[in-house]
Amino acid sequence: AQKITQTQPGMFVQEKEAVTLDCTYDTSDPSYGLFWYKQPSSGEMIFLIYQGSYDQQNATEGRYSLNFQKARKSANLVISASQLGDSAMYFCAMREGPLSIIQGAQKLVFGQGTRLTINP
Amino acid sequence: DGGITQSPKYLFRKEGQNVTLSCEQNLNHDAMYWYRQDPGQGLRLIYYSQIVNDFQKGDIAEGYSVSREKKESFPLTVTSAQKNPTAFYLCASQQGDSYEQYFGPGTRLTVT
Repeated sequence: AQKITQTQPGMFVQEKEAVTLDCTYDTSDPSYGLFWYKQPSSGEMIFLIYQGSYDQQNATEGRYSLNFQKARKSANLVISASQLGDSAMYFCAMREGPLSIIQGAQKLVFGQGTRLTINP
Repeated sequence: DGGITQSPKYLFRKEGQNVTLSCEQNLNHDAMYWYRQDPGQGLRLIYYSQIVNDFQKGDIAEGYSVSREKKESFPLTVTSAQKNPTAFYLCASQQGDSYEQYFGPGTRLTVT
């Protein structure tokens, strides 16, 4: 079974509108972390936002917020006031298990991505 | 500037040849990772390393090898045993007490 599912292969949004990118996940581990990354056409991966499974509040970073619904196992990314520069691929990813200082490395599982296009 | 460098950006090889992709970081991060990305797909973990002289297989390690002789360097060798080596390869690093992985610019490998 897919651990991370992004059901929207592509989305088209008018500039300045808000957009929600969907992400559902599957894990039986009570401790996990959820990430969103942006990948422009140049290829590099840019970290946007992180939500830990025990975090009480939804994460926010500037125009980005993560709509975390634990019972539904969803972690949707909301971009407010979209800009032309937001056009890119967006990936949801998950780490299973706690982040351990001793363990160090964390294995991430990525979804297949959503291509977001912002129209002027 | 601190960051991760991967070279070259584009790499072309003939089938049957081994090729090594470089990844260097000056962030003093303990953990390093190699991912593979195929067109229209997400990233898949090849190998990762938590500390010098130690590394672990990821989800798709077959046909690849790595070494971690120095903290700042984590080269990936794509061997002739890898059946479909043409892909975009991304290297990342992470400090042990932080959740954020920092990515390099990637190397696009084409094998014909």
